[in-house]
Amino acid sequence: GNSVTQMEGPVTLSEEAFLTINCTYTATGYPSLFWYVQYPGEGLQLLLKATKADDKGSNKGFEATYRKETTSFHLEKGSVQVSDSAVYFCALYTGANSKLTFGKGITLSVRP
Amino acid sequence: DVKVTQSSRYLVKRTGEKVFLECVQDMDHENMFWYRQDPGLGLRLIYFSYDVKMKEKGDIPEGYSVSREKKERFSLILESASTNQTSMYLCASSPGTLNNQPQHFGDGTRLSIL
Repeated sequence: GNSVTQMEGPVTLSEEAFLTINCTYTATGYPSLFWYVQYPGEGLQLLLKATKADDKGSNKGFEATYRKETTSFHLEKGSVQVSDSAVYFCALYTGANSKLTFGKGITLSVRP
Repeated sequence: DVKVTQSSRYLVKRTGEKVFLECVQDMDHENMFWYRQDPGLGLRLIYFSYDVKMKEKGDIPEGYSVSREKKERFSLILESASTNQTSMYLCASSPGTLNNQPQHFGDGTRLSIL
């Protein structure tokens, strides 16, 4: 079956540090890949997506590249801000009944 | 912008009560979903629906049921609430069965069963 594995958290960084959050997946077929973000007290919001191999999704300074050869979709940001403190979820979609498969999420805390 | 509205942000109920969580979306989406979110477990799919009066079990349907009488509304029902159903509940919707269409989420209902 489909699965998404995220690195263990939580992660604590200082402002302006470089961020990498690892995500790998197992899926049949050719999934689309997503990163969602959940700010404190809110629901999930789509952060970025990629729909085929070598696509790069980007938004708000975050980037992730769909790597089929390593089945990965790592999230990166060059310089994090306190306002980036949130929970980040990696997810995949194969089109079967429109269901998303989520990773367990990772909490990022950015200190001033 | 798509708006997914959950009727309550916080809810406190007692063991054995029948509990209704309501979700409404305003973008005519075909698909609607109920998840629960627990620390260390991420999001787990309870039920989903891809059409009016249609429902499918997700990964953890036990103890829950759902109702979708109108396209815009998807209700989650706890038939007899138990303390292990204390959790954050998230509703989501998405259009059709097109690949790469993201799900849109409500702000969640934090449910406590005493």
